[in-house]
Amino acid sequence: DADVTQTPRNRITKTGKRIMLECSQTKGHDRMYWYRQDPGLGLRLIYYSFDVKDINKGEISDGYSVSRQAQAKFSLSLESAIPNQTALYFCATSESSTDTQYFGPGTRLTVL
Amino acid sequence: GQQLNQSPQSMFIQEGEDVSMNCTSSSIFNTWLWYKQDPGEGPVLLIALYKAGELTSNGRLTAQFGITRKDSFLNISASIPSDVGIYFCAGQPAGGTSYGKLTFGQGTILTVHP
Repeated sequence: DADVTQTPRNRITKTGKRIMLECSQTKGHDRMYWYRQDPGLGLRLIYYSFDVKDINKGEISDGYSVSRQAQAKFSLSLESAIPNQTALYFCATSESSTDTQYFGPGTRLTVL
Repeated sequence: GQQLNQSPQSMFIQEGEDVSMNCTSSSIFNTWLWYKQDPGEGPVLLIALYKAGELTSNGRLTAQFGITRKDSFLNISASIPSDVGIYFCAGQPAGGTSYGKLTFGQGTILTVHP
């Protein structure tokens, strides 16, 4: 089984809808991250969490919110989706003792 | 925020050729990482570098942490078709405000012709 899983893998929705993307990990890592990937822009950090009680905004947090339900679970929500949020979304995890991050398989989100 | 300049943006090579790509920054980094992303998948870690001057190999891949701590390169020797994908550099900037966060380059798209 994969260490970092994301659901759904693909989602098509309409403008204004609320969407939740989920991430689970079995690596036992404290830190979890949400990134967005757009063509030619690499990966940009949306939110990150160093432990269950710690949530921090990344460089592009506007329009997004997160919830760290447990050490192993970190969900990303789009309260009212808009077309320019169409992108690939990746969850990642890392141990607190290292900068190395491990990525999930991604969710392809399309907002019509 | 921190910027990483990764080059080249894309490469088209023949199978068997060697490949070199690099990342540079105007700021100092504590860690350099190299990832590969296959279509439809998440980035997979190739090599992690933690010390200035460090040279590390992983099979046909070799990466170095620049002495100035502002750059890193990745070399792939004797390329094969499965090397196709997007290669990303990532770094953990020095400085307290960047603790625990990575900055990513824009990626190098590698195409290998058989």
